[in-house]
Amino acid sequence: DAGVIQSPRHEVTEMGQEVTLRCKPISGHDYLFWYRQTMMRGLELLIYFNNNVPIDDSGMPEDRFSAKMPNASFSTLKIQPSEPRDSAVYFCASRSGVSPLHFGNGTRLTVT
Amino acid sequence: QQQVKQSPQSLIVQKGGISIINCAYENTAFDYFPWYQQFPGKGPALLIAIRPDVSEKKEGRFTISFNKSAKQFSLHIMDSQPGDSATYFCAASKYNQGGKLIFGQGTELSVKP
Repeated sequence: DAGVIQSPRHEVTEMGQEVTLRCKPISGHDYLFWYRQTMMRGLELLIYFNNNVPIDDSGMPEDRFSAKMPNASFSTLKIQPSEPRDSAVYFCASRSGVSPLHFGNGTRLTVT
Repeated sequence: QQQVKQSPQSLIVQKGGISIINCAYENTAFDYFPWYQQFPGKGPALLIAIRPDVSEKKEGRFTISFNKSAKQFSLHIMDSQPGDSATYFCAASKYNQGGKLIFGQGTELSVKP
């Protein structure tokens, strides 16, 4: 079991650019979550999917953020256009049924 | 109603001592209370979790104490070791929404040798 895999690990981009973060959940897990971690706001849930369908996107901060899950083994979180306040560590997590949540090692995004 | 308040923000403990981190929640609908451990550069990892039908759960050196009436729960790390130095997060959710966690702000624990 390779765990939840996120890419890239680090992303540095300029304000206004499009950023795409990628996640491969653990095989067999039917729930996928995107969290954001900052010093000021801690860990915040952005959106989660069940069986590839978005269930709750109430945590997505703005229309600049979008997430997709085209199949059970892949999800993306896109920010377009990016802003310096989007700088954070973005985590993807997955679980099956009521099993514990497993986090990836995150993508550290820096927007200059 | 959705907040989980965690204290202290940071904690320094001598090796062999007891580390205690406290959390309080507001939403009485929450019925799942996990603790996560996070090392630098890594994602949070589940350490131990409790449901409100018990007042205490122990796994090795880690114990959760739960007070339903006070809406509080705490993590106790017995015989703290330098390898326990990490950031600890409490969280809460409804059990059937176990991934839709509301996290506390985190406690940075440093265990001195």
